[in-house]
Amino acid sequence: GAGVSQSPRYKVAKRGQDVALRCDPISGHVSLFWYQQALGQGPEFLTYFQNEAQLDKSGLPSDRFFAERPEGSVSTLKIQRTQQEDSAVYLCASSLVGGPYEQYFGPGTRLTVT
Amino acid sequence: GQQLNQSPQSMFIQEGEDVSMNCTSSSIFNTWLWYKQDPGEGPVLLIALYKAGELTSNGRLTAQFGITRKDSFLNISASIPSDVGIYFCAGFTPINTDKLIFGTGTRLQVFP
Repeated sequence: GAGVSQSPRYKVAKRGQDVALRCDPISGHVSLFWYQQALGQGPEFLTYFQNEAQLDKSGLPSDRFFAERPEGSVSTLKIQRTQQEDSAVYLCASSLVGGPYEQYFGPGTRLTVT
Repeated sequence: GQQLNQSPQSMFIQEGEDVSMNCTSSSIFNTWLWYKQDPGEGPVLLIALYKAGELTSNGRLTAQFGITRKDSFLNISASIPSDVGIYFCAGFTPINTDKLIFGTGTRLQVFP
């Protein structure tokens, strides 16, 4: 079946613009995760949904970052008033169940803030 | 945030050689996942480990969950050019069962 898909794959934003990044998880996967990956680093956790409930948002770096998954399927990560330090690859992952289980990643969205 | 330490940081090997890399932490983990990431792509899951001492294979790849629960190892046998990429270990601690913590990565280069 289809894997996790993300769009857009690349996004260039001027500093101060708002951006919205989309994630389509694997069909039937209950859990959805967002990670941020800086150049040369491993991914870092941002937030976690189980169905439509956002159960953990402790990794969101500031209140400019907001994520939603209103129907328990597609998720959107929104960044308001983008700053240069927001430049990174944003990865989405999904998992069949919650808890310490296998997570499957999408290709990521590379955000560049100029 | 917390990251796992991986070694070596990078490896340059000849095609056909075996490869070993490891991942260590000062904290106990109850699940280990190994991923491979190619440039411009997301991490691809290679192997999942759920019990201390567990040894699991996937083709030419073998991974082990260390018995202290603070480390994990990945071996690749008879390397081929398409093994090139960055290998990440990742895991869950007993406290944070939804927050996958990633290692610093091992960059593998294979020469024909």
